[in-house]
Amino acid sequence: KNEVEQSPQNLTAQEGEFITINCSYSVGISALHWLQQHPGGGIVSLFMLSSGKKKHGRLIATINIQEKHSSLHITASHPRDSAVYICAVVMNTGNQFYFGTGTSLTVIP
Amino acid sequence: ETGVTQTPRHLVMGMTNKKSLKCEQHLGHNAMYWYKQSAKKPLELMFVYSLEERVENNSVPSRFSPECPNSSHLFLHLHTLQPEDSALYLCASSQDSYAGGSVAFFGQGTRLTVV
Repeated sequence: KNEVEQSPQNLTAQEGEFITINCSYSVGISALHWLQQHPGGGIVSLFMLSSGKKKHGRLIATINIQEKHSSLHITASHPRDSAVYICAVVMNTGNQFYFGTGTSLTVIP
Repeated sequence: ETGVTQTPRHLVMGMTNKKSLKCEQHLGHNAMYWYKQSAKKPLELMFVYSLEERVENNSVPSRFSPECPNSSHLFLHLHTLQPEDSALYLCASSQDSYAGGSVAFFGQGTRLTVV
């Protein structure tokens, strides 16, 4: 069993839809990262969270430490948002971190 | 453009070859990382260098050998690889190590094929 579980694994949406990707983890963490990987492999770090909520443009990330759960929301989705979104957690021991398998998002015009 | 540059972007090598992957960042970051991403598997952390000293090595086979000559450059030396080592190898850097919760910047990756 992976320490980090993401859902859904695959998601197809129409342009303009509101999208939610979920991440659950089973270990104590000091931080959680959301990453975006485009076709071809390049990865962009979107957010680093240790509590609460962060917003950047159309992207919103939330985390509930007690429930060991984080969500990534995309408002007014666009085809350029099509990518794999990866959740990564940093253990609170500081030296280990784990990655989810990713959610593949396709936004159709 | 994230400020982290990897070369080459693509590499095909035989099992008896020796090659090196290069990563360069001029962001003033103190930590650099090598990751491996195989098809349909989560990202795997291979090595972490913080202030040029290796601080984490998740039991990576010795056929992978990292080198960090200074805080801006990171190499991954490859020798006698196996076909199952074919993957995307990603480099990243951050201001401090992940233990400090810094946001990471990733390179575009090197697509390695071992034949």
